[in-house]
Amino acid sequence: DTEVTQTPKHLVMGMTNKKSLKCEQHMGHRAMYWYKQKAKKPPELMFVYSYEKLSINESVPSRFSPECPNSSLLNLHLHALQPEDSALYLCASSQGGGRQETQYFGPGTRLLVL
Amino acid sequence: AQTVTQSQPEMSVQEAETVTLSCTYDTSENNYYLFWYKQPPSRQMILVIRQEAYKQQNATENRFSVNFQKAAKSFSLKISDSQLGDTAMYFCALNSNYQLIWGAGTKLIIKP
Repeated sequence: DTEVTQTPKHLVMGMTNKKSLKCEQHMGHRAMYWYKQKAKKPPELMFVYSYEKLSINESVPSRFSPECPNSSLLNLHLHALQPEDSALYLCASSQGGGRQETQYFGPGTRLLVL
Repeated sequence: AQTVTQSQPEMSVQEAETVTLSCTYDTSENNYYLFWYKQPPSRQMILVIRQEAYKQQNATENRFSVNFQKAAKSFSLKISDSQLGDTAMYFCALNSNYQLIWGAGTKLIIKP
């Protein structure tokens, strides 16, 4: 089973709202990733959690706040976003965050910031 | 710096034809993995095939195969007997140092 689930599928929020994106995997993976993807572009890495610890933060603005409650769950808390943050947000997981691992992706959350 | 280059922004072929997508990369490492991911309009990023750099044999998954030329740093994807469901963005990626380095993508359209 190579399934990563994400909720919600779509999200519309105002610039003053607080919302959260959720990601879950049941593959026993110990590394989880957040990516941002603009239309017709490759994904851009935002955060990496390895064994529930934040291991990579690609200088993402503080209005994005990741959280990894356990090895199966990954959240992305959103606050005071800007219209340019509108994008597809993808979650992925891999076995342990090693150097050469296959990442498996969820279906994404389409975010629109008004 | 490690880079991945996909030189074909868009391609289209007739259903049942064979199509080859190009990818070149640059890395100073000896051991790395290469991937092809597919992203259909439904937007889910799906792993198509992967190649371990130390393996000389080209990877194959059903209708999908790669031509891996390590010395030339080339990693092309061949899709045989193309189907309408193959219509998607295809991304080539290099896994090195914990991160995926992505190409710009090739939009593939399969025409009926």
